[in-house]
Amino acid sequence: DAGVTQSPTHLIKTRGQHVTLRCSPISGHKSVSWYQQVLGQGPQFIFQYYEKEERGRGNFPDRFSARQFPNYSSELNVNALLLGDSALYLCASSFERKIYEQYFGPGTRLTVT
Amino acid sequence: KQEVTQIPAALSVPEGENLVLNCSFTDSAIYNLQWFRQDPGKGLTSLLLIQSSQREQTSGRLNASLDKSSGRSTLYIAASQPGDSATYLCAPSERDDKIIFGKGTRLHILP
Repeated sequence: DAGVTQSPTHLIKTRGQHVTLRCSPISGHKSVSWYQQVLGQGPQFIFQYYEKEERGRGNFPDRFSARQFPNYSSELNVNALLLGDSALYLCASSFERKIYEQYFGPGTRLTVT
Repeated sequence: KQEVTQIPAALSVPEGENLVLNCSFTDSAIYNLQWFRQDPGKGLTSLLLIQSSQREQTSGRLNASLDKSSGRSTLYIAASQPGDSATYLCAPSERDDKIIFGKGTRLHILP
């Protein structure tokens, strides 16, 4: 079975632009979570979606938004990009809401110049 | 607010040695604790999950212990191999939907 997939793999954007990152969960998984991992730091929780509804939000500005589609795939949108948004963005899926039973995707490396 | 500290930040050891990675957390009211492995630029792989009622978990050459009352966990790796080189992350969960990661320990096993 395919694991969690994310696209694109790498992305370069300019300050002020917006970006959309995509995630496909493992088949049958209904929960998707997004994390930001800045170089040298551990992942920080951004959002959790379960059954297409937002179930948790981390301490990130309103420039960050997400949604989950009927097929349980998800998009993370970031508006008005800042240099500090440069990071590895990780998506993780789980069958239920239990955040400790997650499987992580390979991530999208975002560079903001 | 839960804070997670991992010591050391980096570690280099010769192949074959046994080693211990340390993790401490400030809020002992955790649900469980996980240890993850992350290869450079890649996603995370869960290695071990210890429930709050457990003292340790073992998987192959890996053994993780948990002392919830003192806010500490250790990951013991026996007979280290070059393929063990990676960053190891400690992550306690406070609820079903909240997980906090440490900054990790970068481990390099010298052939």
